[in-house]
Amino acid sequence: GQQLNQSPQSMFIQEGEDVSMNCTSSSIFNTWLWYKQDPGEGPVLLIALYKAGELTSNGRLTAQFGITRKDSFLNISASIPSDVGIYFCAGQFVSSGNQFYFGTGTSLTVIP
Amino acid sequence: KAGVTQTPRYLIKTRGQQVTLSCSPISGHRSVSWYQQTPGQGLQFLFEYFSETQRNKGNFPGRFSGRQFSNSRSEMNVSTLELGDSALYLCASSWDGDYEQYFGPGTRLTVT
Repeated sequence: GQQLNQSPQSMFIQEGEDVSMNCTSSSIFNTWLWYKQDPGEGPVLLIALYKAGELTSNGRLTAQFGITRKDSFLNISASIPSDVGIYFCAGQFVSSGNQFYFGTGTSLTVIP
Repeated sequence: KAGVTQTPRYLIKTRGQQVTLSCSPISGHRSVSWYQQTPGQGLQFLFEYFSETQRNKGNFPGRFSGRQFSNSRSEMNVSTLELGDSALYLCASSWDGDYEQYFGPGTRLTVT
């Protein structure tokens, strides 16, 4: 199946630091979604991207749809303890129909 | 607007039994997708329904099946349960499959 490479796998940062994570694919994507998941809960949609080069913000979160359409980045500024969780990227490529593929997740720990 | 709901939240079944999980999408959403989430395999796509028709299917055995009703509510069924079916089963709804997907809280299935 389609592989989405998400990195890093885990991050341990101090409160107040900025965070950056990314996803790459060998296929050209139409749509990128970024989610956050807390333990035992379903993923919560953070940001949706639809056009190459698009840069979208949601509070302290900013995500970009890569120019090549094969990658996406998520940045979190001035991290706080409640940012702790697992962040997933999800993508839909040209011939995947309505199926989304998910990255393996980035586990974020924020140290107060 | 109410979010995606899934019932039950937790289930314990014995190997060989079957199970039915239910998902009610956000009002107005016609697409429902199902995913299996395990620590080892991450989020894996099971299938997607739109207007009572299965549009996409992931790479899972025929023991996994689903259906969608005229009110867009969806059920998934797993027959002849195996230990490896223990997972968090998530459903996600969207207006159409290629727009933002919103997840429910999931059903935690444990097979003993």
